[in-house]
Amino acid sequence: KAGVTQTPRYLIKTRGQQVTLSCSPISGHRSVSWYQQTPGQGLQFLFEYFSETQRNKGNFPGRFSGRQFSNSRSEMNVSTLELGDSALYLCASSLAGAPSGNTIYFGEGSWLTVV
Amino acid sequence: SQQGEEDPQALSIQEGENATMNCSYKTSINNLQWYRQNSGRGLVHLILIRSNEREKHSGRLRVTLDTSKKSSSLLITASRAADTASYFCATDALQGGADGLTFGKGTHLIIQP
Repeated sequence: KAGVTQTPRYLIKTRGQQVTLSCSPISGHRSVSWYQQTPGQGLQFLFEYFSETQRNKGNFPGRFSGRQFSNSRSEMNVSTLELGDSALYLCASSLAGAPSGNTIYFGEGSWLTVV
Repeated sequence: SQQGEEDPQALSIQEGENATMNCSYKTSINNLQWYRQNSGRGLVHLILIRSNEREKHSGRLRVTLDTSKKSSSLLITASRAADTASYFCATDALQGGADGLTFGKGTHLIIQP
């Protein structure tokens, strides 16, 4: 069974640009969540999608958005990039999300560097 | 927000020794999960313990949960060099998943060969 797949793994963008990251969850999983990891703030929850609907949202500005498709694949978009957006972005999938008690599996992440 | 706090922040031990990491959290939870992260990589799920469980084992891993103290511990027995990584606890709030999983800042474990 394939794991959570994230693309691209590494990318460099310029301030002011936008970026789209993609995540393919484990087959059969309907919940996809996104997390940002930085050395200063650690791992922070961005948002969760379940059956194409955003179910939960963390405390991030509106520049961070996402969506989920009918096949459960998800994308997140960051517009008007700032230097502080440089981070490892992690996608996680599970059958039903937290706090259902399902194991939540993470992908390898997308390393975003903003210059 | 960081609900979980791992202790210690860093731990260096000799190969073969046992490693114990602790995690404290602030609000009532449904479940607590432990993850391992190798440098620059994604999170690998280790074990999930539910709020009504007190102890769980998986191979060389032993996790305990004390909901009255809002704390959990992860014990790795007979450590190996490959166990060198950062370890995180993650909780989900009893009131709902508004914050997804809440992570601590992690314990960086170094196993000396």
